[in-house]
Amino acid sequence: GQNIDQPTEMTATEGAIVQINCTYQTSGFNGLFWYQQHAGEAPTFLSYNVLDGLEEKGRFSSFLSRSKGYSYLLLKELQMKDSASYLCAVRAGSGGGADGLTFGKGTHLIIQP
Amino acid sequence: NAGVTQTPKFQVLKTGQSMTLQCAQDMNHEYMSWYRQDPGMGLRLIHYSVGAGITDQGEVPNGYNVSRSTTEDFPLRLLSAAPSQTSVYFCASSYWGRGTDTQYFGPGTRLTVL
Repeated sequence: GQNIDQPTEMTATEGAIVQINCTYQTSGFNGLFWYQQHAGEAPTFLSYNVLDGLEEKGRFSSFLSRSKGYSYLLLKELQMKDSASYLCAVRAGSGGGADGLTFGKGTHLIIQP
Repeated sequence: NAGVTQTPKFQVLKTGQSMTLQCAQDMNHEYMSWYRQDPGMGLRLIHYSVGAGITDQGEVPNGYNVSRSTTEDFPLRLLSAAPSQTSVYFCASSYWGRGTDTQYFGPGTRLTVL
């Protein structure tokens, strides 16, 4: 079976840094994704990791350790607009993108002034 | 590019009615999929397709049918709507290859079954 765990809710302060963790147990692994979803909107793609290590994109970074089944999303210089849900997802198929993603339940991030 | 489009945006059905949720993409992506999102449950895969004429079941396929006659379109059919199918439905398309992968979501269809 597939299992993806992430905290339900986190609170952080504007201008600060926050790290959202994700652990996964899946039958296969072909990449880990982070999405941002504002209330009432569709998820938007943030990052993709398939190899171990850190991927940086502006204020957002994502880290993957395949041996530990662990990833985190790091958000720097937090802004009020970063208040949203952050979804961790794994593509667990054999490759070729030939299957969908398995999602965690999402982390609701609240940014306080 | 319009990306991934979905119609309708909102729909109310009575129990037992059938309907089709439309999804189209103009990015020439081979892979398309349908998810439903319920409070506290996260996004769950219903059906997916790896190309025209090829579909497969995801985690929660019961009560839904799909077909993929063209690369662009991937409609989701509710055969006999039930209140348990009240949800937000997202269609997605993706490109995978050469060490990159991403999945683009449509704006969603908010379905209520009475």
